[in-house]
Amino acid sequence: SQQGEEDPQALSIQEGENATMNCSYKTSINNLQWYRQNSGRGLVHLILIRSNEREKHSGRLRVTLDTSKKSSSLLITASRAADTASYFCATGGVGGSQGNLIFGKGTKLSVKP
Amino acid sequence: NAGVMQNPRHLVRRRGQEARLRCSPMKGHSHVYWYRQLPEEGLKFMVYLQKENIIDESGMPKERFSAEFPKEGPSILRIQQVVRGDSAAYFCASSPWGSGTDTQYFGPGTRLTVL
Repeated sequence: SQQGEEDPQALSIQEGENATMNCSYKTSINNLQWYRQNSGRGLVHLILIRSNEREKHSGRLRVTLDTSKKSSSLLITASRAADTASYFCATGGVGGSQGNLIFGKGTKLSVKP
Repeated sequence: NAGVMQNPRHLVRRRGQEARLRCSPMKGHSHVYWYRQLPEEGLKFMVYLQKENIIDESGMPKERFSAEFPKEGPSILRIQQVVRGDSAAYFCASSPWGSGTDTQYFGPGTRLTVL
């Protein structure tokens, strides 16, 4: 069964605006990671937040984690056209497997210049 | 430092042929993961390997698919007798410890097209 579910499925904003994407999951996690994928390319790791952390920053990125609600959000501030991509959350350390990540379907972000 | 390398980047096969996908992890990483991505979907876990060992193959189809990570050389994902439904992007990732708390670093993927 799918673990991470991103919301919204698609988001279109103007350059300079902030973009917020949400992710919900179902079971206990060890960590939650956000990845970016440009069209037709591989995944780029953005940020990892552990289950005992509530907020993390990296440049223009801000990630929050609420384990009581089983949800996370990714905020991109002052967006740029180059931020146009699909964004995926992935949960780690669930169930019997210690290695695999479980991905959601992603949010497709379009930033218009 | 070279990242995760995958080859070929694009692979075209006819139904019934075999597909071999290769993955070289980042230097110093001994844990390799294979994922499959269908169009407009997220990645689905297939298999997790360490050198010479399969740790978790719970995401692998029971037939036609196999994976290995030999002591020397890249990890190989092998699909025998390919069918059209195997058409997808296959991504490999690697990590240093494989504890479930690691960041996984992804390769550029192999896009398999089955005619």
